[in-house]
Amino acid sequence: QKEVEQNSGPLSVPEGAIASLNCTYSDRGSQSFFWYRQYSGKSPELIMFIYSNGDKEDGRFTAQLNKASQYVSLLIRDSQPSDSATYLCAVKGPTYNFNKFYFGSGTKLNVKP
Amino acid sequence: NAGVTQTPKFQVLKTGQSMTLQCAQDMNHNSMYWYRQDPGMGLRLIYYSASEGTTDKGEVPNGYNVSRLNKREFSLRLESAAPSQTSVYFCASSEVTSGGKETQYFGPGTRLLVL
Repeated sequence: QKEVEQNSGPLSVPEGAIASLNCTYSDRGSQSFFWYRQYSGKSPELIMFIYSNGDKEDGRFTAQLNKASQYVSLLIRDSQPSDSATYLCAVKGPTYNFNKFYFGSGTKLNVKP
Repeated sequence: NAGVTQTPKFQVLKTGQSMTLQCAQDMNHNSMYWYRQDPGMGLRLIYYSASEGTTDKGEVPNGYNVSRLNKREFSLRLESAAPSQTSVYFCASSEVTSGGKETQYFGPGTRLLVL
């Protein structure tokens, strides 16, 4: 079983819509959760992090964490074509590997003009 | 402030050749990491260094060695390259934010092709 699971997509949404990206993780001891955006041929760029249950908003992005369900999501409001990228979910702090980050394989998002 | 830098950006090797990928960060971070990224596989941790002078294996360490030369630099060495090591290699460093949480930042990557 992989530590972090994501649907590979592609997820296609029209411009201006809400894009919803989901991620599940296997270790209940995980402490920190991250969303990275990666454009083709580029390095991952941190866009959100969340540590506590609930929602965290930053501009058009909202990260949601539900530790009981072991579920993290990223909502992108008013999606723009420039949001088209692969979104990586990362988890840190499984209880047996506290120093390590584990990444999902990413969800590709296409925002159509 | 350059963040995390990596050299070279692109390299072609023949099977059996050796090379060292260089990584440096100027953010005074304690922890540094080497990942490889293959299509459909996400990022997989090769080695990491929690502090200067320490290194530990990640998920896929076979065929690689690392050196944490000082706090700034963390190099990855392929002693005898194999076609299976064709990949994009990312170096990262992390900082501990307020509240004791840790956030990771990536370099631009090295594209390696082993023929």
